[in-house]
Amino acid sequence: RKEVEQDPGPFNVPEGATVAFNCTYSNSASQSFFWYRQDCRKEPKLLMSVYSSGNEDGRFTAQLNRASQYISLLIRDSKLSDSATYLCVVTSYSSASKIIFGSGTRLSIRP
Amino acid sequence: NAGVTQTPKFQVLKTGQSMTLQCAQDMNHNSMYWYRQDPGMGLRLIYYSASEGTTDKGEVPNGYNVSRLNKREFSLRLESAAPSQTSVYFCASSQTSGRAVGQQFFGPGTRLTVL
Repeated sequence: RKEVEQDPGPFNVPEGATVAFNCTYSNSASQSFFWYRQDCRKEPKLLMSVYSSGNEDGRFTAQLNRASQYISLLIRDSKLSDSATYLCVVTSYSSASKIIFGSGTRLSIRP
Repeated sequence: NAGVTQTPKFQVLKTGQSMTLQCAQDMNHNSMYWYRQDPGMGLRLIYYSASEGTTDKGEVPNGYNVSRLNKREFSLRLESAAPSQTSVYFCASSQTSGRAVGQQFFGPGTRLTVL
């Protein structure tokens, strides 16, 4: 079993829709969680951190469920520019070698 | 600020050739990383350097060596390239402590093909 798993998609949704995807992790000792965005043939860029209480950044909401060991990303009122691959990242403070990237979920927004 | 820069952007090698990928950051970060990204595999950590003067192996270090030349620069060397090393290579940097480790800044990547 992979340490971090994501549904690869693609998720194909119309502009203006709400879309959500999850990421599960296997190491219960994981401590920090993040969502990154990666455009085609570009480098990953940090989208948002995920905090225990859940957090919002504009149209984006991230949630953490430690009991079930998953994080989620919700995008409201999706825009064409949201089309990208979304990577979840799980880290532990003790060692940089415990940074694990998920394989990504591909999102495509259609007009 | 340039952020994280990488050279070259593209490279084609023949099996057995060697090359060095260069990375530099101007954000005064202590930690630097080298990843490879293959289709369907996500990013995998090759080597990292938590601070100037230290380097450690990541998940997939075989076939690679690194040098942390100074605080700004972190290079990745392929001594004898193999077709299995065909990939996109990303360099990244971050601060070292706590949550900041996961808040990484990436370079634009090097697309390497080994024939």
